[in-house]
Amino acid sequence: NAGVMQNPRHLVRRRGQEARLRCSPMKGHSHVYWYRQLPEEGLKFMVYLQKENIIDESGMPKERFSAEFPKEGPSILRIQQVVRGDSAAYFCASSPPSGRRETQYFGPGTRLLVL
Amino acid sequence: TQLLEQSPQFLSIQEGENLTVYCNSSSVFSSLQWYRQEPGEGPVLLVTVVTGGEVKKLKRLTFQFGDARKDSSLHITAAQPGDTGLYLCAGLINAGGTSYGKLTFGQGTILTVHP
Repeated sequence: NAGVMQNPRHLVRRRGQEARLRCSPMKGHSHVYWYRQLPEEGLKFMVYLQKENIIDESGMPKERFSAEFPKEGPSILRIQQVVRGDSAAYFCASSPPSGRRETQYFGPGTRLLVL
Repeated sequence: TQLLEQSPQFLSIQEGENLTVYCNSSSVFSSLQWYRQEPGEGPVLLVTVVTGGEVKKLKRLTFQFGDARKDSSLHITAAQPGDTGLYLCAGLINAGGTSYGKLTFGQGTILTVHP
């Protein structure tokens, strides 16, 4: 079974550009979570999505950040007009439709570097 | 304010030694997870504990959830160089509603086991 897949693994953007991060959950998983890991900091929750629905976006910055999980295709975390402070590792996790939501399986992450 | 405090932050030991990592909070968690993360990779789930006082063993690793569900520990017996990595505890504070699935992470413990 393939695990959670994220691409790209590394992304370099200049200030003001857009960054699109993709996440394909584990097969059969319908819940997706995005976390951010800033240098020297722990993982911070950003958003929790189910297919076509945002369940909890309490950790998302109010501006420039958006996330979606369409009926078909991967979940997308989109950062508009990136700034240097957005440089971080972004991790996606997924959990199955039934059972404990906190048992989350993480992807390898996308390392975003903003120049 | 860090909801989950891990200690120690750094641990450097010799192969064969035992060690314990602690995860403490003033909040009650409905469950707690331990992850291990290697450089450039995503966190890998080791265990989920859900019942106060619960003890789980995974080969040389022993995980304990405090009776009051506010703390947890990870004990490694006869550490090996392959145990080297970042160990993270994560917990779920709210068991229901829209926060279900929003993991709160500790800052992590960097373990180095020297041959």
